[in-house]
Amino acid sequence: GDSVTQMEGPVTLSEEAFLTINCTYTATGYPSLFWYVQYPGEGLQLLLKATKADDKGSNKGFEATYRKETTSFHLEKGSVQVSDSAVYFCALSDPTQGGKLIFGQGTELSVKP
Amino acid sequence: EAQVTQNPRYLITVTGKKLTVTCSQNMNHEYMSWYRQDPGLGLRQIYYSMNVEVTDKGDVPEGYKVSRKEKRNFPLILESPSPNQTSLYFCASRLRGEKLFFGSGTQLSVL
Repeated sequence: GDSVTQMEGPVTLSEEAFLTINCTYTATGYPSLFWYVQYPGEGLQLLLKATKADDKGSNKGFEATYRKETTSFHLEKGSVQVSDSAVYFCALSDPTQGGKLIFGQGTELSVKP
Repeated sequence: EAQVTQNPRYLITVTGKKLTVTCSQNMNHEYMSWYRQDPGLGLRQIYYSMNVEVTDKGDVPEGYKVSRKEKRNFPLILESPSPNQTSLYFCASRLRGEKLFFGSGTQLSVL
């Protein structure tokens, strides 16, 4: 079945460092890919998405490119801030499965001043 | 304000005592879903509903019930809670093909 695998956390960075959180997926169809963010004590919020191969999703300085050849959707940010500390979830939605969202296990990011 | 509202936010109960976690959305969304979040496992879908009176099992439905009598409400029922149901629960809703809106979560502890 479909699945999403993320790099394990926690990831600890200093402010202004470069961030990469790896995400790879397995899917039978042509899924849409998402990154959700969960700030402490809150529910998940959509950060960005890409719906087809080579699409780049971007928001709040974060970017991710849908790479079909490597089945990846890595999250990147050039310069992280303390306020980016959160848990990040990669997810896919497979239209052949009714659009159900399948999440990775989450990666905790901690940014130190 | 568009939102998904869950209650309660925190709940401590004992094994076998029936409980209900409520979920309500004010966006007229057709689709609603329940997830549980556990360390190292991410979010796993418990049940979902495509519309009123239409519900279906997700990946981990055992020990849970749901109902969808009205479009805005989607309660999660634990008839006989057990300690392995201690978890953080999220309700979510969306329009077809659009992003999911999540509630703030319910932290449940079953002793």
